[in-house]
Amino acid sequence: AQSVAQPEDQVNVAEGNPLTVKCTYSVSGNPYLFWYVQYPNRGLQFLLKYITGDNLVKGSYGFEAEFNKSQTSFHLKKPSALVSDSALYFCAVRDRDNYGQNFVFGPGTRLSVLP
Amino acid sequence: ETGVTQTPRHLVMGMTNKKSLKCEQHLGHNAMYWYKQSAKKPLELMFVYNFKEQTENNSVPSRFSPECPNSSHLFLHLHTLQPEDSALYLCASSQGEASGGLNTGELFFGEGSRLTVL
Repeated sequence: AQSVAQPEDQVNVAEGNPLTVKCTYSVSGNPYLFWYVQYPNRGLQFLLKYITGDNLVKGSYGFEAEFNKSQTSFHLKKPSALVSDSALYFCAVRDRDNYGQNFVFGPGTRLSVLP
Repeated sequence: ETGVTQTPRHLVMGMTNKKSLKCEQHLGHNAMYWYKQSAKKPLELMFVYNFKEQTENNSVPSRFSPECPNSSHLFLHLHTLQPEDSALYLCASSQGEASGGLNTGELFFGEGSRLTVL
């Protein structure tokens, strides 16, 4: 079975500092991994995905994520946080070796960037 | 503009009402999804349609009834709901999966329909 863990409910960071939002996953096969962001009263917006190839993936709004197979992690990072990055962030996984498996989302991490 | 449009954005209904949520995607996708997002709970997958065929019904109560007349439209019919059904209902779409294939595409979400059941 697939699962996604986001160990932190809340992450606080000062504006201009680097940020990391953590994600670990479990799949029986090989993963496709995704990050989404949700602003208040809005739907989820796609940020980036890892399919194959380079372990460092760059996405929208200056975000990037690093796939680490040995640690089964896919942490989201940004070198310099903005107040406007404050939102709810979701990690998701899909098992690419199991046809028919759907996306599984983590519980979300609320990021607060303090001015 | 996300390419996935949901209406209405807000809905208040009594427990005896019948209403419907509508979702339309303009992305040429063949798979559509309903998710439920409740406060302080993980995102819950409700239904999946792939090439208009329902491929997932995640133990959803029968008071929720999906309909997918074509690959671009998805409905969620609501009947005799309970207050605990109050939530944000999110529609999403992705590339569909033909038999034997697995797409790498991400989900594209609508803005959601905020449902309040009184």
